[in-house]
Amino acid sequence: DSGVTQTPKHLITATGQRVTLRCSPRSGDLSVYWYQQSLDQGLQFLIQYYNGEERAKGNILERFSAQQFPDLHSELNLSSLELGDSALYFCASSVGIQPGSSYNEQFFGPGTRLTVL
Amino acid sequence: GQQVMQIPQYQHVQEGEDFTTYCNSSTTLSNIQWYKQRPGGHPVFLIQLVKSGEVKKQKRLTFQFGEAKKNSSLHITATQTTDVGTYFCAGPAFNKFYFGSGTKLNVKP
Repeated sequence: DSGVTQTPKHLITATGQRVTLRCSPRSGDLSVYWYQQSLDQGLQFLIQYYNGEERAKGNILERFSAQQFPDLHSELNLSSLELGDSALYFCASSVGIQPGSSYNEQFFGPGTRLTVL
Repeated sequence: GQQVMQIPQYQHVQEGEDFTTYCNSSTTLSNIQWYKQRPGGHPVFLIQLVKSGEVKKQKRLTFQFGEAKKNSSLHITATQTTDVGTYFCAGPAFNKFYFGSGTKLNVKP
């Protein structure tokens, strides 16, 4: 158990809909990262938040948005869903602000599997 | 844009054989991390390398960071069925974090 929790575990929805994925980081971690993993694919970095502020943006679509709340949990909002958005969405957390800085390992949650029909 | 590639994409070995995956970045990385993802699981941090030419060992796993800090390798000696999974390298560039394409290892008992 990494200490990172994600809800829901599974989500099935239809095209055009909007969903919200939730992540609670490990206690004490200030950074939250969101990743998308399509079937048998690598991990695509979407966005990072540090202590409530957006820190870095990756290949995140305009239809997607995220935020980190004062209690440090984060939500990823996906709207106008398309079939191609079906994927595993991982949240990770780390202590520091700089991804990959010395000994700033990321702890991953179990993921949310999104299926768009 | 920044790319982190890994080869091979897939590797099937007989239990007891050695395994190596190679990671190549299009730009210099300040450090590199390795993660393992078991089937149906989430990525788990294995190790981080920071120095040019650094070599670290964890039991049967040997990690190496290239002199130019643009490539890295993970070598597993005498694979076991518990080594099954996808191995990712990852590193920071341009204030973002890039994961390699991963190498999926299958070990036949």
